[in-house]
Parts: sequence; structure tokens; C-alpha cells
Amino acid sequence: ETGVTQTPRHLVMGMTNKKSLKCEQHLGHNAMYWYKQSAKKPLELMFVYNFKEQTENNSVPSRFSPECPNSSHLFLHLHTLQPEDSALYLCASSHQSTSESRETQYFGPGTRLLVL
Amino acid sequence: AQKITQTQPGMFVQEKEAVTLDCTYDTSDQSYGLFWYKQPSSGEMIFLIYQGSYDEQNATEGRYSLNFQKARKSANLVISASQLGDSAMYFCAMRESLYTQGGSEKLVFGKGTKLTVNP
Repeated sequence: ETGVTQTPRHLVMGMTNKKSLKCEQHLGHNAMYWYKQSAKKPLELMFVYNFKEQTENNSVPSRFSPECPNSSHLFLHLHTLQPEDSALYLCASSHQSTSESRETQYFGPGTRLLVL
Repeated sequence: AQKITQTQPGMFVQEKEAVTLDCTYDTSDQSYGLFWYKQPSSGEMIFLIYQGSYDEQNATEGRYSLNFQKARKSANLVISASQLGDSAMYFCAMRESLYTQGGSEKLVFGKGTKLTVNP
């Protein structure tokens, strides 16, 4: 059973809707991530939070707004999305690691988003 | 430039046979880490195996082993005794030096290989 949970698992929304994706980790990690996985494209990193502070924003459009209230919870707020934003959104968490450490990122099951 | 290359979009293997999934990478760093993940149709990314750039021995985890050839910049995943449950997408990923990345933990993923195990 995964230590990273995501809700909802599936979401259909119109372009004018506002919705939020939620991620929660029960592993005691201090870093959390949002990834986007589109069909036939590599996994794309969107945001990174270390100790609740955003340390990476990978040129993500402002219609995606992350929020990290504490080290265990991560949200992705969505508004005025486009059909091309339809994808699997994966959350991950990890310990803050060194380059040589074996610390890996643990992923949640993802939210399958369809924008109509 | 693409940092992780997985040249096999799809692979087929007979149950109980071994299969090798290819991965090559591009980096100028001396210190880096290589990961393999499995993604079943349910969507979750499952960590399989890790290889550090300074590790002298190839990593092994049960039926998974990593054929690490540093000079060739390749990190192929070998699955022995394939099982029907091994059918999934497999992703190779690299973590470069945190100094290169400005201190942020980042994994760069390849496009993946879809493995199908036939009975």
C-alpha cells in the first residue's frame, strides 16, 4: 500500500471550472513534487517543495497554482484549464537527499484529469 | 538535449524468460543516480532499483538487476523469470548533482518502454 495518497483519482472539468487536486504523504518526507504525464511524453516535473517552500517552478502556466501548507500535504489548484491540460497528474515525496544518496521519490496513484 | 533515452517503445517477452530494457543517459556530472520505475495501468509509479554513479557493483533487487556501463552511459534493466504481472510501462530516470540543479531534487525521466509478458 502506497504511503502517498491522491484525491480525486479521476476528474472531469470544464474550462471555466475551478478544482483542486490533493496529495498527502505519510512517510515523514520533507520534499513534495507535482508531475504531469501526458500521452506519449516523458514525465514532466511541474513544482518542487522543500520544507513547505517552493524551490522549483518548471515554467508552469499560472492556471496551475500549487499550495503546500505543511510537509505532509500538497495541493494543485486548477482554474481556466485548456483541453491540452488533460493528463495524469502525479504527486511524489522524498527525503531531502544528497547527490549520492539512495533516497528515491515515492509516487501516489495519480489523478486522471480530463478537461472538456 | 534529451538526457534519458529509452529506444524501445514496446517489448514482448515470454513468461519465465529474461528481458532487457535499454536506457542511455547524458550528463557531464561525476555524481548522479539512476532509477528504474514501473508503472502499471493503474498509474502509480513504483520504484524498482537504484544505481549510484560511484557504485562499483551492478545493483540487484530480487528479479531486477541493472546492467550499469558507465563509460557507455547506459543503465539497462534486466528482469529475470518474467511474470504476467510484470506487464507495464517501465521508466528510466536520472538524478543529477544537486549543485547543478541549484539545490533542488529533480528526476529526469525517459519516455518509457511498454513491456508485455505473454503466457
